Amino acid sequence: QIQLVQSGPELKKPGESLKISCKASGYTFTDYAMQWVKQAPGKGLQYMGWINTQTGKPTYADDFKERFVFSLETSASTAYLQINNLKNEDTATYFCARYDYYFDYWGQGVMVTVSS
Amino acid sequence: DIQMTQSPASLSASLEEIVTITCQASQDIGNWLAWYQQKPGKSPQLLIYDATSLADGVPSRFSGSRSGTQYSLKISRLQVEDIGSYYCQQAHSNPWTFGGGTKLELK
Repeated sequence: QIQLVQSGPELKKPGESLKISCKASGYTFTDYAMQWVKQAPGKGLQYMGWINTQTGKPTYADDFKERFVFSLETSASTAYLQINNLKNEDTATYFCARYDYYFDYWGQGVMVTVSS
Repeated sequence: DIQMTQSPASLSASLEEIVTITCQASQDIGNWLAWYQQKPGKSPQLLIYDATSLADGVPSRFSGSRSGTQYSLKISRLQVEDIGSYYCQQAHSNPWTFGGGTKLELK
């Protein structure tokens, strides 16, 4: 069955960096783009952007053009989200999601807490 | 970017009641509209795509409709397991955008 399994929760200090993983299984990784979505505590879904799993080219939504990096390890069917210079407002759950015209499969989410 | 205005932000309803949630797109998106359900502490799940098509495994009490640039999600007979938050999403133009969400609670 199709699964996206993300890495575990993170507790970081402002200014630090982190890298979240999203491992896909049950389908051909390069057949579908991978999207990233942020959900701040008690808030709605915010689209971050996507990465082309065939070319590795990332595209970022306006709010995520700085400090955020999408990458791939295609041989491991894994996508990554790196956040640099963490800020308090990065505290949120981050989801990866497969995209086939719609977000049809989602990871379980990674809760990131940024606190001094 | 296309804006999706979702209403209401919260909704309290009784079991077996009919529930309707709406989304207004800021421009024509055709049928490029999806609805997602998110239960507390879980990831969102696709409910409806192409404005009116039910995703696999979704109960038939859920339905989607469109009138121009207004889209609706209807739950015909509310069940306990339907409690959670609901989001619309336009798939017409990247960046994809979500509605603000509707939190559905039991009365």
